[in-house]
Amino acid sequence: SAVISQKPSRDICQRGTSLTIQCQVDSQVTMMFWYRQQPGQSLTLIATANQGSEATYESGFVIDKFPISRPNLTFSTLTVSNMSPEDSSIYLCSVGDREPYEQYFGPGTRLTVT
Amino acid sequence: KQEVTQIPAALSVPEGENLVLNCSFTDSAIYNLQWFRQDPGKGLTSLLLIQSSQREQTSGRLNASLDKSSGRSTLYIAASQPGDSATYLCAVPPFYGNNRLAFGKGNQVVVIP
Repeated sequence: SAVISQKPSRDICQRGTSLTIQCQVDSQVTMMFWYRQQPGQSLTLIATANQGSEATYESGFVIDKFPISRPNLTFSTLTVSNMSPEDSSIYLCSVGDREPYEQYFGPGTRLTVT
Repeated sequence: KQEVTQIPAALSVPEGENLVLNCSFTDSAIYNLQWFRQDPGKGLTSLLLIQSSQREQTSGRLNASLDKSSGRSTLYIAASQPGDSATYLCAVPPFYGNNRLAFGKGNQVVVIP
């Protein structure tokens, strides 16, 4: 298993600002994933972050809005840029790249944009 | 595109009753299926992972079955307790196992003391 921590756990931000969310894993992993969970909805994958290469974004998500860094095998950041109230969600990072590919999630970052 | 459906969306049961939560998926070419628990405003806790070659997996009071051919999985929770109140999510990755999970909307469970 993997132990994942995220910072901050929650934040309230003003429209038009940016927030960077950090994700730290207690072991080296090849792939890290960023998900969004809007209020009352299930999880949607934003992007896959591989160390040493550009993140791969899912349809509907773009790098200018959600830039991702992956400087090493235990750490990643997701920035939510130029925020609007529609960005109010829980943002979760996850890992899981060893057989049998069981996926583990961090505690999430609860973002409210006013 | 894989689509995951969970029924019922919400249910309430008295303490001690068994819980039966259903998950269906449209593409049976899956690598594994994972059940998670989510408490309000929190992250996800992995409960059980069933590999595509398995038919069921058990952990304590939890038992999950998998019928790939019919695209269904069922999570059974025996002798429910108030602490089991949470949302239960099932998720399925593509066959090649890169873990781009497709999630259902969840079964929201309330166990009444």
